[in-house]
Amino acid sequence: DQQVKQNSPSLSVQEGRISILNCDYTNSMFDYFLWYKKYPAEGPTFLISISSIKDKNEDGRFTVFLNKSAKHLSLHIVPSQPGDSAVYFCAATYQGGSEKLVFGKGTKLTVNP
Amino acid sequence: DSGVTQTPKHLITATGQRVTLRCSPRSGDLSVYWYQQSLDQGLQFLIQYYNGEERAKGNILERFSAQQFPDLHSELNLSSLELGDSALYFCASSASPGTQYFGPGTRLTVL
Repeated sequence: DQQVKQNSPSLSVQEGRISILNCDYTNSMFDYFLWYKKYPAEGPTFLISISSIKDKNEDGRFTVFLNKSAKHLSLHIVPSQPGDSAVYFCAATYQGGSEKLVFGKGTKLTVNP
Repeated sequence: DSGVTQTPKHLITATGQRVTLRCSPRSGDLSVYWYQQSLDQGLQFLIQYYNGEERAKGNILERFSAQQFPDLHSELNLSSLELGDSALYFCASSASPGTQYFGPGTRLTVL
């Protein structure tokens, strides 16, 4: 039972354009969501997070949107840069219970110069 | 650099053997988490320790065990290794529930 789903295994965008990565979840208990970036042979790097009491959080070029009614979140990267090319993981947790992160399977983003 | 360190970076061993993976959390973080990333399963939570005590367990096999020491470093012990245990093993730490910071991982290859 996959509680966090990233339905697009890959995404390719041009440098300077917007990258939109999507994530869906099924467990309505989740109240904290995170995005991680992962390069090959490295550990996941924390990018940005959002609490379920918000619908948007912004940090520089990265913005995460949360639509609780649709159980959907998205990560926007504007403008995209070649160095953003990596695998992006969506993760979710609920702070009132186990603190484990439940991960999606990732989306490989390629930003073309 | 997340501040979480893991050793060794690579480990190659044979089926039936036992290995120990080590993790040092970020300074001040009391919680340590272990995750396994295999090719087809993504990142799966194994176990969490908080200040030396086991706090949560995921889909961790009985052949696997972990502990957290008084200096807060943690070790993941994998025994009776099988080919299917080949994976990346990540350790993460956090100061409070929410954001976890990951180490660079240990790549385990079982031959």
